[in-house]
Amino acid sequence: AQKITQTQPGMFVQEKEAVTLDCTYDTSDQSYGLFWYKQPSSGEMIFLIYQGSYDEQNATEGRYSLNFQKARKSANLVISASQLGDSAMYFCAMRDNNNDMRFGAGTRLTVKP
Amino acid sequence: EAGVAQSPRYKIIEKRQSVAFWCNPISGHATLYWYQQILGQGPKLLIQFQNNGVVDDSQLPKDRFSAERLKGVDSTLKIQPAKLEDSAVYLCASSSGALRVTDTQYFGPGTRLTVL
Repeated sequence: AQKITQTQPGMFVQEKEAVTLDCTYDTSDQSYGLFWYKQPSSGEMIFLIYQGSYDEQNATEGRYSLNFQKARKSANLVISASQLGDSAMYFCAMRDNNNDMRFGAGTRLTVKP
Repeated sequence: EAGVAQSPRYKIIEKRQSVAFWCNPISGHATLYWYQQILGQGPKLLIQFQNNGVVDDSQLPKDRFSAERLKGVDSTLKIQPAKLEDSAVYLCASSSGALRVTDTQYFGPGTRLTVL
């Protein structure tokens, strides 16, 4: 069964600094997709970035980038130039050929002014 | 483009009562998902629809939970009777329906259920 691990329950970062949120995964499938979502206190899950297992380049979306290390089965999210509005829960998720999306337990990011 | 709509946003009920949640997916999205998110945890898939057919309901507690998507658009999730442990946020999501690993899910604002 697929498993997603986020080892950092909480992280702090200074405004304008970069921060890396860790995510490791476990699957026996060769084809899978990795996703990161942001969940502010309002509760909505906001899609941030996607990485396919066959993608050779690391995904980037604005200030978000995904450090994909396939051999180590890690898909860390990097947020550059942190802003106060980045304070939220961040969830890593994976979808493989079973089609269901599995989420990690999340990391709470707090951006300090 | 309108996002995923859910109602109500909040609901408080007594245990053993019934409750229903409604979801309207993004227009044109064939696949609809219901998730349960207990405080401090990631979302857990309850049921997945492709158009009006069920793709996966393996984690749906079928003795008390039911869901339908009769016309392949809107969906309702019902709990009858509710238990204290059902207190959670119920998230609806939709995707284009390609049923591929690349298929991105977009979420609604969720319904926060409190069972007293």
